[in-house]
Amino acid sequence: DTAVSQTPKYLVTQMGNDKSIKCEQNLGHDTMYWYKQDSKKFLKIMFSYNNKELIINETVPNRFSPKSPDKAHLNLHINSLELGDSAVYFCASSHLDRAGGELFFGEGSRLTVL
Amino acid sequence: AQKVTQAQTEISVVEKEDVTLDCVYETRDTTYYLFWYKQPPSGELVFLIRRNSFDEQNEISGRYSWNFQKSTSSFNFTITASQVVDSAVYFCALSEAPHSDDKIIFGKGTRLHILP
Repeated sequence: DTAVSQTPKYLVTQMGNDKSIKCEQNLGHDTMYWYKQDSKKFLKIMFSYNNKELIINETVPNRFSPKSPDKAHLNLHINSLELGDSAVYFCASSHLDRAGGELFFGEGSRLTVL
Repeated sequence: AQKVTQAQTEISVVEKEDVTLDCVYETRDTTYYLFWYKQPPSGELVFLIRRNSFDEQNEISGRYSWNFQKSTSSFNFTITASQVVDSAVYFCALSEAPHSDDKIIFGKGTRLHILP
């Protein structure tokens, strides 16, 4: 049973298209995140949701729109894809009530924009 | 503002050597948490350890050990008798006191090559 699962794992698309990545966690955590890892392996937080409420939005272009239908799901929709959006996107979850709770990551979704 | 610095971009050692990965952090909070994660070539991110700011005891887990020193704001990671399977990118991370907007900030990672 995968704790944090993302789909798809690989996504290749043309510039200008719109795409979505889905994330689900079965750990009962109340907080979920999206991180972006660029080609230099730098991991940067994009968004955080706590119980379906947006908590963190790290100056991400508004072409990126997260959606959390319930606390077990956090999806990422990207409009008008650009070359610079190519990266690995990691979903993660943690238990906010547990002070300094560690992140549990999904396997990542590698997005390639041509 | 919180910040994590991993000055070593890439390290190569021969198998069975010991290697230490450095991590220096900055925070204004007195309560914070430090983490290490491993990212092997397969790409997943694996949690290794969490340490809170009130616990300066060093920790050992098998061949892995961590040295937390508040005086120098460092949380270094040592692998003893390294093995090829230890080859990975290692990330140090910091989370300030738990708030509703708590976030974990990562260093840029150190790529470790263990040569057979």
